Parts: sequence; structure tokens; C-alpha cells
Amino acid sequence: DADVTQTPRNRITKTGKRIMLECSQTKGHDRMYWYRQDPGLGLRLIYYSFDVKDINKGEISDGYSVSRQAQAKFSLSLESAIPNQTALYFCATSGHRTDTQYFGPGTRLTVL
Amino acid sequence: GENVGLHLPTLSVQEGDNSIINCAYSNSASDYFIWYKQESGKGPQFIIDIRSNMDKRQGQRVTVLLNKTVKHLSLQIAATQPGDSAVYFCAENSGGSNYKLTFGKGTLLTVNP
Repeated sequence: DADVTQTPRNRITKTGKRIMLECSQTKGHDRMYWYRQDPGLGLRLIYYSFDVKDINKGEISDGYSVSRQAQAKFSLSLESAIPNQTALYFCATSGHRTDTQYFGPGTRLTVL
Repeated sequence: GENVGLHLPTLSVQEGDNSIINCAYSNSASDYFIWYKQESGKGPQFIIDIRSNMDKRQGQRVTVLLNKTVKHLSLQIAATQPGDSAVYFCAENSGGSNYKLTFGKGTLLTVNP
């Protein structure tokens, strides 16, 4: 969905490096989410934010942090990347009082 | 249906046939369900949704059926086309006002020309 963009689309990094993944949306949505997808597994929620001053941990937040810089921007950081953080990362957004989430194109992260 | 291992369930159909993809959910309090399509290298794309006060909803070539008694959800795709080849997964809202979704692991649909 072109309304939700993620950068970079692909990234290869080394163990111990700090990595930031960025998400921007033009949908005007309040709520933003970061998910991780591993082969054969469902999407797992890392962090979510219901507005600029609201940050909540998801089911797998250890090793990650987030920043909601503005309504339209939500970034995910890996402070010290490790190989088992190799995965596809998706950002999603949803509107106020709605459940439907719209996803970005994803970032493929490889940690060597 | 759902898969607890590393390998996705797969469904292979001939072009033009109808496809039925199933999903079992576990939370009887879930009141909203979504089907997503994910093509290789892309993010999940919304297909259709249904609320728990309905048992059927139709879209363009797609129908979602909800059976709350057995906590089962299905996606029917009519006249399946090669462009329908993708991973399909369901998601449920566990109810309340948390607006968080729980996702299934998906089914790989392959359409043979």
C-alpha cells in the first residue's frame, strides 16, 4: 500500500550494530504498529502506538525500541542487532476506533 | 487451516476453480475478523473483513463465512486466477477496545494455469 512506506526495503548488517527502520504514512491514521514475520510463523507484534505520546510493548519487544516522532512517523530501532533478529519487518496503521490495519511493503533485515 | 509448525498448509487449484481457505480461531470473545493476502516480497493486503454479528459477507469474487459455534472462518475465492497465488491469513480482534489483531500463520495458495 503506497500510503504506508518503509525504509530501507532491504538491509544487511552485522551483529552488534544499531539499526533503525523507518515507517511513514499518509493515511492520517492515529495508530501505528511494528510487526516481525518469520518463515512459517504469523505476524508478531513488537510495539504499537495509539497516538504520538502513546507507546506500548507488544508480545516480542525485547531487543527493540521505538519512537513516534509525529503522527505520520514511527521508527523501530535495534540497539544491538543479533542474528535471530533476521526477519521481515512490517509497519501497519489503523484509524481511530477501527480494527483494520494497513501494511507497508516491509523491510528485509539480515543480521550476520 | 492453521499451522503450528514451520511449514505452511498449501492449497493447489486449477485456474478457474473455486478455492476455499480455512482458519480456526481460539478466542470466543473475538468480534472482528480480517482476511489478508500476501504476495511474495510484499506486505499483507486487506481483502475482506467480517464482524461477529454476521455469518457471511461477500466482496468481489471473495466471500467470507464465519461459524462462531465452532470458531471457524473461511475465505472462498471464485474463479481463481493465477494472480490469486499468494499466502492468505486470517486475523482476529480479541474483543474489547484494544484494537490489536492476532494473526494466523497462513495458507499458501498456488493456482495452476
